[in-house]
Amino acid sequence: QKEVEQNSGPLSVPEGAIASLNCTYSDRGSQSFFWYRQYSGKSPELIMSIYSNGDKEDGRFTAQLNKASQYVSLLIRDSQPSDSATYLCAVGMNDYKLSFGAGTTVTVRA
Amino acid sequence: DTAVSQTPKYLVTQMGNDKSIKCEQNLGHDTMYWYKQDSKKFLKIMFSYNNKELIINETVPNRFSPKSPDKAHLNLHINSLELGDSAVYFCASSPGTSPFSNIQYFGAGTRLSVL
Repeated sequence: QKEVEQNSGPLSVPEGAIASLNCTYSDRGSQSFFWYRQYSGKSPELIMSIYSNGDKEDGRFTAQLNKASQYVSLLIRDSQPSDSATYLCAVGMNDYKLSFGAGTTVTVRA
Repeated sequence: DTAVSQTPKYLVTQMGNDKSIKCEQNLGHDTMYWYKQDSKKFLKIMFSYNNKELIINETVPNRFSPKSPDKAHLNLHINSLELGDSAVYFCASSPGTSPFSNIQYFGAGTRLSVL
């Protein structure tokens, strides 16, 4: 079983719609959870971090964490063409190590 | 002012050669990392150093040798390059101290092509 699994893409959404990305993880002791965005040919860029159960909102992005279900999600509201990228879920195994999912590629259609 | 910088950005070389990639961070972080991202975009940890001490050493061929002369620098030397080493190598750094110890910031990447 992979440590971090993301819903397979690609995910295509129309401009203005909500994009929903899901991630599950295997280590029940994980304490920190992140979403990174990676544009083609660029490096991963942190867009959200979440540490406790519930929702965390930052602009058009909302991260949701449910530790009991070992589930993290990212919602992108009012999707824009500039949101077209690969989104990586990362889970903190300890103070130093992150395990990354394989990524979900999102395409926002104008 | 770039926070995590790595050089070179592109590296094209022949099989069997030895090459190095350098990384420097000016964020004052204690921990640095090397990742490999293959053609399927999967990002895999290779090594990590905390204050010059090796703390993560994943299953990586011993042709790969990291070196951290100080906590702001982490270099990666690769001996006897093989075709399968072709990938993008990312350097990253994190504070290494709670509560945000493992928020990681990435360099721009080094695209290695082995011919």
